[in-house]
Amino acid sequence: GQNIDQPTEMTATEGAIVQINCTYQTSGFNGLFWYQQHAGEAPTFLSYNVLDGLEEKGRFSSFLSRSKGYSYLLLKELQMKDSASYLCAVITLRGNTPLVFGKGTRLSVIA
Amino acid sequence: DTAVSQTPKYLVTQMGNDKSIKCEQNLGHDTMYWYKQDSKKFLKIMFSYNNKELIINETVPNRFSPKSPDKAHLNLHINSLELGDSAVYFCASSQDAVTGGRSPLHFGNGTRLTVT
Repeated sequence: GQNIDQPTEMTATEGAIVQINCTYQTSGFNGLFWYQQHAGEAPTFLSYNVLDGLEEKGRFSSFLSRSKGYSYLLLKELQMKDSASYLCAVITLRGNTPLVFGKGTRLSVIA
Repeated sequence: DTAVSQTPKYLVTQMGNDKSIKCEQNLGHDTMYWYKQDSKKFLKIMFSYNNKELIINETVPNRFSPKSPDKAHLNLHINSLELGDSAVYFCASSQDAVTGGRSPLHFGNGTRLTVT
């Protein structure tokens, strides 16, 4: 089967750094996405990793270790507007459901 | 210049009714999807169409029927609505099918369906 785990909630302080972890078990891995979803809005694409290592994009970075089935999203210089849910999604090679979402991590940024 | 638009944004209806949600994308993408997000915020795929052809049909009651008149549109019709159908339904599109392709999903703003 397939399983994606993320912490349900996290709280961090404005200006700080926060790391949101995602672990997965899947049959046939073909890449991992991170999406941001503000309350009441649509998910929006943040990053994509398919090879091991760190992908940096401004204040956001995403890391992948395929051998460990592990990824994290790193948010630096946190701003209040970063309060949102962060969804990890794994592309698998299984036929019917190629993209599986985790349940998301709700991040609250406090002053 | 909205990329993926779906209507209506809110839909409140009674059990047993039939309703439709419309979705259109102007990105020129080949693949469109319907996702359901329940009260626990879990996003689950329901259907996927690639160039008007059904390629993913998850275990969804056959009361749900997608229709794709062309590759820019994917509508969702729901018959005999039940309380458990209450959720937010998101339409999405991508340049190619996610399997084997790496293009991200572009989501519409969602339709909040409430069945009473």
